[in-house]
Amino acid sequence: AQSVTQPDIHITVSEGASLELRCNYSYGATPYLFWYVQSPGQGLQLLLKYFSGDTLVQGIKGFEAEFKRSQSSFNLRKPSVHWSDAAEYFCAVGAGSGGYNKLIFGAGTRLAVHP
Amino acid sequence: DVKVTQSSRYLVKRTGEKVFLECVQDMDHENMFWYRQDPGLGLRLIYFSYDVKMKEKGDIPEGYSVSREKKERFSLILESASTNQTSMYLCASTGPEGVGGYTFGSGTRLTVV
Repeated sequence: AQSVTQPDIHITVSEGASLELRCNYSYGATPYLFWYVQSPGQGLQLLLKYFSGDTLVQGIKGFEAEFKRSQSSFNLRKPSVHWSDAAEYFCAVGAGSGGYNKLIFGAGTRLAVHP
Repeated sequence: DVKVTQSSRYLVKRTGEKVFLECVQDMDHENMFWYRQDPGLGLRLIYFSYDVKMKEKGDIPEGYSVSREKKERFSLILESASTNQTSMYLCASTGPEGVGGYTFGSGTRLTVV
C-alpha cells in the first residue's frame, strides 16, 4: 500500500539557518511527489512538485526538493530560513489512476523558527 | 486567481445533527476531494469525485456521504454528527490529469458537542 512517512514531527531552527525536512514514500510505480505548506488557520499551499525529469525541483518561497529513487525519499530544503517560514509542512504522493491523482499525505512536520 | 471556497470557517453542531459542508471551485476542475485533518495524522481522504454525480470512497468514509450535482460544487454530509467527527475538513480540486497538484480551500473547523 502507498504511504508517506515524515519522521520529524517538530523541528526548530534559528532564522537564517538551513533547513531540511525529510520525507520517505512507499509506492510501486513512478511517484508523483508534492510538498505543501499550511500556515495557521489556512488551507494548504503547493510549494513544489515532482513528476519526472530533473530530480532537483525548485519551488516557491526559495524551497527546493530532491527526488532520490534509491532511497525512496523526497526531502525539502531551504538554504536560509525566514521567520515567516514557520508553518506545518506536508509531503504527499500521488496515487491512483484513471486520470486523477489521489494524494496520500504524511503526518506533517511543524516548523518553528527562532529569531 | 483560482479558488476553492468552503462556505464556513467554523461550525459548532450538536451530536446527532445532520451537517452539510459545502465546497465550490471556480476552475472547472473535474476532480474534487474531501479530507479531514487531525493532529499527528495528517490529511486523510474521506470521499472524492471525478465527475458530476460520481463519487468514490476514500480511506475513512464511515459516517459520511457526499453529493455532487454540479461540477463546481461538492458537498460533504455528516448524516448524524458524532463527537469523533470534530475535526478540520479540507476540500480540494484538481484538473483531469491531477498532475498540477491540488488547490485547497481554507478549511472548515467543525466542533460537535
